[in-house]
Amino acid sequence: NAGVMQNPRHLVRRRGQEARLRCSPMKGHSHVYWYRQLPEEGLKFMVYLQKENIIDESGMPKERFSAEFPKEGPSILRIQQVVRGDSAAYFCASSPITRNTEAFFGQGTRLTVV
Amino acid sequence: DQQVKQNSPSLSVQEGRISILNCDYTNSMFDYFLWYKKYPAEGPTFLISISSIKDKNEDGRFTVFLNKSAKHLSLHIVPSQPGDSAVYFCAAQNNAGNMLTFGGGTRLMVKP
Repeated sequence: NAGVMQNPRHLVRRRGQEARLRCSPMKGHSHVYWYRQLPEEGLKFMVYLQKENIIDESGMPKERFSAEFPKEGPSILRIQQVVRGDSAAYFCASSPITRNTEAFFGQGTRLTVV
Repeated sequence: DQQVKQNSPSLSVQEGRISILNCDYTNSMFDYFLWYKKYPAEGPTFLISISSIKDKNEDGRFTVFLNKSAKHLSLHIVPSQPGDSAVYFCAAQNNAGNMLTFGGGTRLMVKP
């Protein structure tokens, strides 16, 4: 039973380019969460999605960031026109239900903007 | 506004002794708490959780204690092993939301 799969593990983008991060949840999990970890900080919630729906995007920056979880395929976190401050580790997590259960995390995508 | 705080950025203990990691929270709506362990360049791994209706939960060498009146929880690891060396994150979930709110982490170093 494969865990949460994220790719790529490392992504280098020049300022102004687009970054696309992918996440396949664990089998049977329909709830997907994206978190961002800046250097020397904890993980910060960005967005919570179910299939074809954004449930909570209260942690997403208002501009340049978007997320989707289509009916088929992985969840995608998209960052347009990246800036140096976007450099961070981005983690995806999934869970089978929403409440009172642990979320399982992927290994993360480390984005470096040069 | 940090709703979950881990005030000790690092902790060093001797192998075989007890490790105690602390976490404080401010949001009284939090009702489910979790501890995650994280190695460098890997994702967080779930360790143990506790519901607000309990004050203690134990799983092998790991025990989590919750003091709701003080809005404080702690993770006890006994006996500590060198393989326990990692960053430990406390996380909380409130009764209206789905996401986890994380503390800043405590780096545990267990010396052989």
